[in-house]
Amino acid sequence: EDQVTQSPEALRLQEGESSSLNCSYTVSGLRGLFWYRQDPGKGPEFLFTLYSAGEEKEKERLKATLTKKESFLHITAPKPEDSATYLCAVGNSNYQLIWGAGTKLIIKP
Amino acid sequence: SAVISQKPSRDICQRGTSLTIQCQVDSQVTMMFWYRQQPGQSLTLIATANQGSEATYESGFVIDKFPISRPNLTFSTLTVSNMSPEDSSIYLCGVRTGAAGDTQYFGPGTRLTVL
Repeated sequence: EDQVTQSPEALRLQEGESSSLNCSYTVSGLRGLFWYRQDPGKGPEFLFTLYSAGEEKEKERLKATLTKKESFLHITAPKPEDSATYLCAVGNSNYQLIWGAGTKLIIKP
Repeated sequence: SAVISQKPSRDICQRGTSLTIQCQVDSQVTMMFWYRQQPGQSLTLIATANQGSEATYESGFVIDKFPISRPNLTFSTLTVSNMSPEDSSIYLCGVRTGAAGDTQYFGPGTRLTVL
């Protein structure tokens, strides 16, 4: 069964304190691993797509990495505006996205 | 990417009534998806809407409750029928453009409250 698990459920950091969010997955026929950011009351905002183990992508203070079983979203020197829920999803062989429950990130000034 | 708009952005409805949500995209897209996101939870796929064919519904969702139209490559509607308080949720339209591979982009969502 296709499944995505994100950890931790919630993460509180001080401004400037770097950390990582985890997304572990099992899927038949991986068609990409996707990271999104979602602010309260808004739709998910696309961040990254990763397709192959070893692939890395960066955007400002965020870097996403991928292995055969999990992905990490590294956040370096975060700022309060990085506070949001970060969602991970994998694409399966039926062109569907299987979603994790998300990690709620809170950055305190 | 694609620019996606949804109408209405929010609504408060009475039990037993129906609401139609519109999703408009600024470019032609191959696949459109309708999701539900209940408070504090992740996204659940309701159905996939392809132009020129019947929508494909996920387990637990039926056409009589959530009829979908896809009249062209830039527009789709989702109707939530005979609503109950359990239908209170955020409804999201997602699109797959093809040019961006399997990446999906999302509209701002429709926040529905059923009294």
